Amino acid sequence: QVQLVQSGAEVKKPGSSVKVSCKASGGTFSSYAISWVRQAPGQGLEWMGRIIPILGIANYAQKFQGRVTITADKSTSTAYMELSSLRSEDTAVYYCARGWTDFDYWGQGTLVTVSS
Amino acid sequence: QSVLTQPPSVSAAPGQKVTISCSGSSSNIGNNYVSWYQQLPGTAPKLLIYENNKRPSGIPDRFSGSKSGTSATLGITGLQTGDEADYYCGTWDSSLSVNWVFGGGTKLTVL
Repeated sequence: QVQLVQSGAEVKKPGSSVKVSCKASGGTFSSYAISWVRQAPGQGLEWMGRIIPILGIANYAQKFQGRVTITADKSTSTAYMELSSLRSEDTAVYYCARGWTDFDYWGQGTLVTVSS
Repeated sequence: QSVLTQPPSVSAAPGQKVTISCSGSSSNIGNNYVSWYQQLPGTAPKLLIYENNKRPSGIPDRFSGSKSGTSATLGITGLQTGDEADYYCGTWDSSLSVNWVFGGGTKLTVL
């Protein structure tokens, strides 16, 4: 049974950074890409980028280029998403999701609140 | 504004059938697999359809997917109140760089 378990909710100040983790179990971590998707309150899904753990290669949505860094630690089957220069518009639930041409497993989501 | 266009809402009575459209272009739907996701209130999205028309294990055959050209469609038959949710289509897009794109989402109301 594949599971993606994410770290807990965060409250951050504008201008700071946040790092969210996503630990995989029950599958072969390196065999899949891990994407990060966020959802602002009352809004739709927005893809931020992905990493291919076996290659250590990440690519990012243009909107987040320069502000997001996605990494993976194969030894612990954990992916990370770090978002910097936070602003109020970054308040959202952040999900990790596994897959190449679709996302078959999702983390439970991590609420990040940006507030002064 | 989403690259993939979905109707904001659809509704139908229990037991009826509904379809949700997802319109794109040759840089996304036209040349890539489409998948569909169901998001119940307060929960993470769940994969409903992958590779245009395949159902993961555990997804009832009331849910179906199809693709033609640069559009895709999700069909749900025998509607149940538990089907009330937001539905999203998604696929890869290569118009500028390689990015995954979602439709704006469709809220299904079972009247």
